Amino acid sequence: AQSVTQPDIHITVSEGASLELRCNYSYGATPYLFWYVQSPGQGLQLLLKYFSGDTLVQGIKGFEAEFKRSQSSFNLRKPSVHWSDAAEYFCAAAGGNTGKLIFGQGTTLQVKP
Amino acid sequence: EAQVTQNPRYLITVTGKKLTVTCSQNMNHEYMSWYRQDPGLGLRQIYYSMNVEVTDKGDVPEGYKVSRKEKRNFPLILESPSPNQTSLYFCASSPPGLSNEKLFFGSGTQLSVL
Repeated sequence: AQSVTQPDIHITVSEGASLELRCNYSYGATPYLFWYVQSPGQGLQLLLKYFSGDTLVQGIKGFEAEFKRSQSSFNLRKPSVHWSDAAEYFCAAAGGNTGKLIFGQGTTLQVKP
Repeated sequence: EAQVTQNPRYLITVTGKKLTVTCSQNMNHEYMSWYRQDPGLGLRQIYYSMNVEVTDKGDVPEGYKVSRKEKRNFPLILESPSPNQTSLYFCASSPPGLSNEKLFFGSGTQLSVL
């Protein structure tokens, strides 16, 4: 069955430190991959996406993600975290233009001053 | 202003009492979708619609109905709500794209079924 797994439910980092959020997927073929961010009380906002080509993709707010086919992973990174990055982050996958989008369980990011 | 509007924001109801959560978008998007969000489970897709009069089941469609009679509206209907449908619901729409991934989300509807 198709699935997206985010192994870390909760992560705490200090402001200014680097960040990596993990995402693993299980699909028959390489899916389209996405990262979304949800601030408290809000809907989700797209950070970045991967369809094909360059395996390192840049997104908004200084985030980037690297697709690794051999590890079935699409980890999100940021070199220096800001207090405003505290939010819940969701990895998602879609098997082409089918309309079906599968989300991971989410990772809550807390930023310490 | 481009937006997806859901109503109501909060709803408390009792088991078995039919309810409808409305969703409307003003961006002329063809794709619309409903999700429920539960702690530890992320967002799970309930139903989606690729265009008017075209709807398909997501991962958790049981107990829900939808209709897409007009492009702008995509209501979510719970014919006989049960407590396990207590959740935070999001409607989203998307312009045409490789995978309808540029989702615009509504503000959410917190539903409690007693």
